Amino acid sequence: AQSVAQPEDQVNVAEGNPLTVKCTYSVSGNPYLFWYVQYPNRGLQFLLKYITGDNLVKGSYGFEAEFNKSQTSFHLKKPSALVSDSALYFCAVRDPYGNKLVFGAGTILRVKS
Amino acid sequence: DTGVSQDPRHKITKRGQNVTFRCDPISEHNRLYWYRQTLGQGPEFLTYFQNEAQLEKSRLLSDRFSAERPKGSFSTLEIQRTEQGDSAMYLCASSKTGLVEKLFFGSGTQLSVL
Repeated sequence: AQSVAQPEDQVNVAEGNPLTVKCTYSVSGNPYLFWYVQYPNRGLQFLLKYITGDNLVKGSYGFEAEFNKSQTSFHLKKPSALVSDSALYFCAVRDPYGNKLVFGAGTILRVKS
Repeated sequence: DTGVSQDPRHKITKRGQNVTFRCDPISEHNRLYWYRQTLGQGPEFLTYFQNEAQLEKSRLLSDRFSAERPKGSFSTLEIQRTEQGDSAMYLCASSKTGLVEKLFFGSGTQLSVL
């Protein structure tokens, strides 16, 4: 069965510093991978996705993610963190036999000024 | 595009009661999903519809749960004989066919079963 793991419950970073939120995946076949963000009292919002092609995917709000097939990873990155990036981030993989997404447990990102 | 709306935002009920939640998707979206999220966990898939047809249902979903999407527009999720373990945030999402990966989520309905 397909799954994703987010090994860090929380990531703390200073404003202006680069940030990385980690995700590893386990899928049969080609992986379709996603990142979503959840702000307090708001619904999840799509950030970016990897289907095929370039290993570096660019998304919303300056975020990007690097797909690494040999390490089965799909880490979320941003060159310079903002306090407003503080939120809960979810990695997800699409079920290749259907249309549902399987989400990781989430990582809390805290950016301090 | 007014977004996905869910009603109510919060529901408190006593164990054994029935509850029903409503989701109004983005108007041109033909796919609608229900997920459940508990504290410290990611959203867990429950079921999804394409238009009015329920195409997939999680094996984890007990028969106390039922969902409908009459006329392929809004959807309802009903939980019968609620249990304390049903306490969670229930999320609705919608998407267009062809862009099914990009889900638009509502803010959810927080259910507390006492």
